[in-house]
Amino acid sequence: EVQLVESGGGLVKPGGSLRLSCAASGFTFSSYSMNWVRQAPGKGLEWVSSISSSSSYIYYADSVKGRFTISRDNAKNSLYLQMNSLRAEDTAVYYCARASGTPLGDFDYWGQGTLVTVSS
Amino acid sequence: EIVLTQSPGTLSLSPGERATLSCRASQSVSSNYLAWYQQKPGQAPRLLIYGASSRATGIPDRFSGSGSGTDFSLTISSLEPEDFAVYYCQQYGYSPFTFGQGTKLEIK
Repeated sequence: EVQLVESGGGLVKPGGSLRLSCAASGFTFSSYSMNWVRQAPGKGLEWVSSISSSSSYIYYADSVKGRFTISRDNAKNSLYLQMNSLRAEDTAVYYCARASGTPLGDFDYWGQGTLVTVSS
Repeated sequence: EIVLTQSPGTLSLSPGERATLSCRASQSVSSNYLAWYQQKPGQAPRLLIYGASSRATGIPDRFSGSGSGTDFSLTISSLEPEDFAVYYCQQYGYSPFTFGQGTKLEIK
């Protein structure tokens, strides 16, 4: 069974940093692209970043480019999102999602999300 | 950036009725890389349709997707109580992999 479990969310002050993790199991992690998608409270889905299976292709939304860094460790079956210079508008539930292919694919499995709150 | 516009914003229907949701793209979606997701309150999104018209694993056949180029639709042939949720379309052909703003399907 495919499982994605996010962790690392919490309350952080504006300008602060946070590192999210996503632990994957139930599939060959190194064969799939992975993604981060966020959802602000009461709002729709916003794609944040994607990374291909071997980290050869990395993409970011303009809203986070230069502040967030996506990475992965295929030996540990883990996906990461380093978030720096956080702003109030980054407050959201952050989901990791598997892409069905590499480098492109629909998002066929999702974690339950981790809440990031940016507030003073 | 490909902008996806979903309509209507809210759709009020009764169980047993047919629902048709629309997703229009600002430019052609590459290789019909268009997906539909369902999201219920407090839950993660669930993939329903990929490649514009292919049902994901375990999705009932009352859900169908159609369209190409810039115009896509999701049809639910006969609404079940569990189908009332928010639906999002997404294009995954070009970065940024944008989502539509969502259609809320509510019970009339």
